[in-house]
Parts: sequence; structure tokens; C-alpha cells
Amino acid sequence: AQRVTQPEKLLSVFKGAPVELKCNYSYSGSPELFWYVQYSRQRLQLLLRHISRESIKGFTADLNKGETSFHLKKPFAQEEDSAMYYCALSSQGAQKLVFGQGTRLTINP
Amino acid sequence: NAGVTQTPKFQVLKTGQSMTLQCAQDMNHNSMYWYRQDPGMGLRLIYYSASEGTTDKGEVPNGYNVSRLNKREFSLRLESAAPSQTSVYFCASSEALGRINGYTFGSGTRLTVV
Repeated sequence: AQRVTQPEKLLSVFKGAPVELKCNYSYSGSPELFWYVQYSRQRLQLLLRHISRESIKGFTADLNKGETSFHLKKPFAQEEDSAMYYCALSSQGAQKLVFGQGTRLTINP
Repeated sequence: NAGVTQTPKFQVLKTGQSMTLQCAQDMNHNSMYWYRQDPGMGLRLIYYSASEGTTDKGEVPNGYNVSRLNKREFSLRLESAAPSQTSVYFCASSEALGRINGYTFGSGTRLTVV
């Protein structure tokens, strides 16, 4: 069965510091991975997906198949990055995404 | 283009009351989903509908029923609300062509059962 693990429920960093939100997955096939973000009292929205290889709002994430990880990184955190972040996995033939438990990121001024 | 629309946005129920949460999407997506979001628990799938005419249980289906009314609409019903069903409910939709390419979420319904 597929599983997504986000080991940190809470993460707090200072403005301007680097931030890394961890995501590990278990899936024997070729996964497709996503990061979703939820700002305060807003709907969840797609932040980025690994196949796009793009940087959104300064965030990047690299799929590491050897370590089965898809960590989200940003070199210089901003206060507006404070939000709830979810990692999610899509497997071939599956009809739903599997989500991690989420990490609440707080950027301190 | 509204995307995924959920109603109501807020609701307070008394224990034992029933209600239906409505969800509609205008993106011609095949699949629709209902999740609940609780602190420390993340997103948990209640029910989903891979295509019009089908529904399947997710991780936490007890106490809920769903109806895929047509391709656009997917409703979630609480027959006899309990305080444990106090949560934020999100509807989502996806194209789901062989593999899920991501969800589009609604804005959520904040439900309190007293």
C-alpha cells in the first residue's frame, strides 16, 4: 500500500532562513508527487508537482527515488510562507491521492 | 470559472440532526472526493466517486453517505450528526485519466456539532 509520511507536524523558522519540509513515501512503482499548501482559512491549492520541475513562490522539490523522498525547500523564508503544507502521492491506476498528515510552517519575523 | 463550489460554508448542528453538504464542479472532471480535515490528523478521505454512477468508501466512511447526482455534483450526508463529526470538510475533483494528476479543492465547510 502507498504511504506518505511528513515527520514534522510543526516547523518554525525565522524570516530569511532556509526552510525544508520533509516528505517520504512508500510505493514500489513510479510515483507522481505533489505539494499542496493551505493558507489561513483558505482552500488547499496545488503548490507544485514533481513532473513540472518548476519553482513556485521560490519553493522547489526534487524527487529522490533512492531515498523515496520529495522534500520541499526554499532558501529564504518569508512571513507569507506561513501555512499548512501537505505532500501527496499518485500511483498508476489509483483513483485517489494519498496525503501525508501535513506540516504547519510558521515563519517568525 | 468557479472550479469547485461547496455549500454551506459554515454550519452548526445539534447532535442527532441531519444535513447534506453540497459540492459541484464545472471542470468536467470524472472523479470527486470528500475529505475531512482535523488538527493533527491531516486530510482523511471519507468517500470518493471515481466516475459518474460509482462511489467508494475511503478511510473514514462511518456516519456518512454520499450521492453522485450527476457528473457535476457530489453530496455528502450526515444522517445523525455526532460531536465527533465536528470538522472542516473539503470536496475535491480530478480528471483521473489512468492516474490522478492532482485535485482541485473547494473552499471547505466548517461544521460544528454540539
